[in-house]
Amino acid sequence: ILNVEQSPQSLHVQEGDSTNFTCSFPSSNFYALHWYRWETAKSPEALFVMTLNGDEKKKGRISATLNTKEGYSYLYIKGSQPEDSATYLCAFISGTYKYIFGTGTRLKVLA
Amino acid sequence: DSGVTQTPKHLITATGQRVTLRCSPRSGDLSVYWYQQSLDQGLQFLIQYYNGEERAKGNILERFSAQQFPDLHSELNLSSLELGDSALYFCASSVAYGGSTDTQYFGPGTRLTVL
Repeated sequence: ILNVEQSPQSLHVQEGDSTNFTCSFPSSNFYALHWYRWETAKSPEALFVMTLNGDEKKKGRISATLNTKEGYSYLYIKGSQPEDSATYLCAFISGTYKYIFGTGTRLKVLA
Repeated sequence: DSGVTQTPKHLITATGQRVTLRCSPRSGDLSVYWYQQSLDQGLQFLIQYYNGEERAKGNILERFSAQQFPDLHSELNLSSLELGDSALYFCASSVAYGGSTDTQYFGPGTRLTVL
């Protein structure tokens, strides 16, 4: 059974703090990893698509790294703002095109 | 606005019934994906179509079926509905067939309530 875990489940940080969360996935049969940002009452919005071991992607204050050998990806937010409050979801795609989503990390940034 | 449209927005029906959910991908996107989000299960991948052909299959029940038409819109058919089918159904689209390396754009979802 393919399992994708995200930690922590939820997180409260103060405005201006930097934070990071983890997505753990099977280290075998890796094809790609997607990160999404999901605000309440909206639909998931793609942040990054990561495919190569050692990949680092950046979008403004948000960045992500990928380690396929050990099966994890980190998402970093620098200088968190209240508008960063959302659930951050990762999705692992296997070589057999199985799409497995983690349960997400719920981030709340306090002003 | 992602450019992906889904209709209807809300649907309320009874157990045993059949419903059809519709999705129009972004202009130029050839792949369509269907996902189910229920309270107890998180986001689950159901099925992917690319240019009219089934490309990948997830945890889609036999009571559910989908297709993608020549104009690239897609329909998800849910039959013999059960209470547990109540969920938010998302459609997403991407440019190519890979899915893994394509950014997926999600529609607003259809909320299905089975009474």
